[in-house]
Amino acid sequence: KQEVTQIPAALSVPEGENLVLNCSFTDSAIYNLQWFRQDPGKGLTSLLLIQSSQREQTSGRLNASLDKSSGRSTLYIAASQPGDSATYLCAVWLGYGQNFVFGPGTRLSVLP
Amino acid sequence: DGGITQSPKYLFRKEGQNVTLSCEQNLNHDAMYWYRQDPGQGLRLIYYSQIVNDFQKGDIAEGYSVSREKKESFPLTVTSAQKNPTAFYLCASMGNTEAFFGQGTRLTVV
Repeated sequence: KQEVTQIPAALSVPEGENLVLNCSFTDSAIYNLQWFRQDPGKGLTSLLLIQSSQREQTSGRLNASLDKSSGRSTLYIAASQPGDSATYLCAVWLGYGQNFVFGPGTRLSVLP
Repeated sequence: DGGITQSPKYLFRKEGQNVTLSCEQNLNHDAMYWYRQDPGQGLRLIYYSQIVNDFQKGDIAEGYSVSREKKESFPLTVTSAQKNPTAFYLCASMGNTEAFFGQGTRLTVV
């Protein structure tokens, strides 16, 4: 059974730091991996989608990488800002007719 | 304005009552999903549907029911058989290979 873990569970950094969030999955037979952001009491906002054949995706200050063979993905946030404070979740999609499996999330606080 | 709409945002249920959470999308997506989120835990799959009139149980389907009579709509009913329904419920739809989520419904038992 596919399991997804995220390290660290929580992270607090001063504004301006570059930081890395980690996501690991146990079965490399995934179709894609998606990173989401969740603000308190809100739904999930899609940040980056990496197909299984891709190695990385970039959007603004965000860069996500995927190493499918080792079951790992990282989300890199450059020059962090207080507005980046949220919970970040990764999810792997197992393919058509199947569902997403989510990690428990990393709660990020960026201090001004 | 395309997207996924969940309603209501807050819902209160009395003991023994059935309640229905609405999820509507205008993205023309075939696949739709219901997840439950509890504090400190990841999202857990309740039900999902790949096409109209077809749906599959997820990991925690007991005490829940769904229907998929229209492509745009995937309502979730929380029945009285669900013993601990207080949680945050999220609906998602999927187009191509990317998932999009609604803003959630917070259900509280009173």
